[in-house]
Amino acid sequence: AQKVTQAQTEISVVEKEDVTLDCVYETRDTTYYLFWYKQPPSGELVFLIRRNSFDEQNEISGRYSWNFQKSTSSFNFTITASQVVDSAVYFCALSEAGTGGFKTIFGAGTRLFVKA
Amino acid sequence: NAGVTQTPKFRVLKTGQSMTLLCAQDMNHEYMYWYRQDPGMGLRLIHYSVGEGTTAKGEVPDGYNVSRLKKQNFLLGLESAAPSQTSVYFCASSYRTSGTQYNEQFFGPGTRLTVL
Repeated sequence: AQKVTQAQTEISVVEKEDVTLDCVYETRDTTYYLFWYKQPPSGELVFLIRRNSFDEQNEISGRYSWNFQKSTSSFNFTITASQVVDSAVYFCALSEAGTGGFKTIFGAGTRLFVKA
Repeated sequence: NAGVTQTPKFRVLKTGQSMTLLCAQDMNHEYMYWYRQDPGMGLRLIHYSVGEGTTAKGEVPDGYNVSRLKKQNFLLGLESAAPSQTSVYFCASSYRTSGTQYNEQFFGPGTRLTVL
């Protein structure tokens, strides 16, 4: 069975601090995709990144970076020099090939507060 | 492009009443999804559709029905609302590309439903 765990319910940082959001997943499939989505206070989820199970390269996009480690089944998300606009709920998600890729499982989310 | 839109944005029902939530997308996406979001539980898949005229059950389908008569629309119905169906409902769509269906999802703004 697939499962996504985001152990950090809430994180509070001061602007310009770096922050890492943890994501641990469980799957029996060898082919799967991992995602991160952002849900700002407005409520609409926004896609941030997708990574497939055969690509363990880390990804950097501006202040955002992602560390995918299959050995620990983790897909962690780091925000460098956080800003108030980063305040949101962040979801990690998993899609398995065995379910046709349609049954995406989301973690419970991590709420990030960035204080000025 | 409007992207994914949902109607209505808010609704209050009494137990036993019925209603239909409408989702529309103008991106010509093949796949559409309905999720519910509850505090501390992330998003859970209710039903999904891989194409016009097709639907399938997700993780929490009981008490809901869906229809996809047109490619751009995906309707979610509650035949007899219960307080346990109080939630925020999100519609999403995604596209098909050759060799994979694990593409990111585009979300609507959500519908906040309260069942008294």
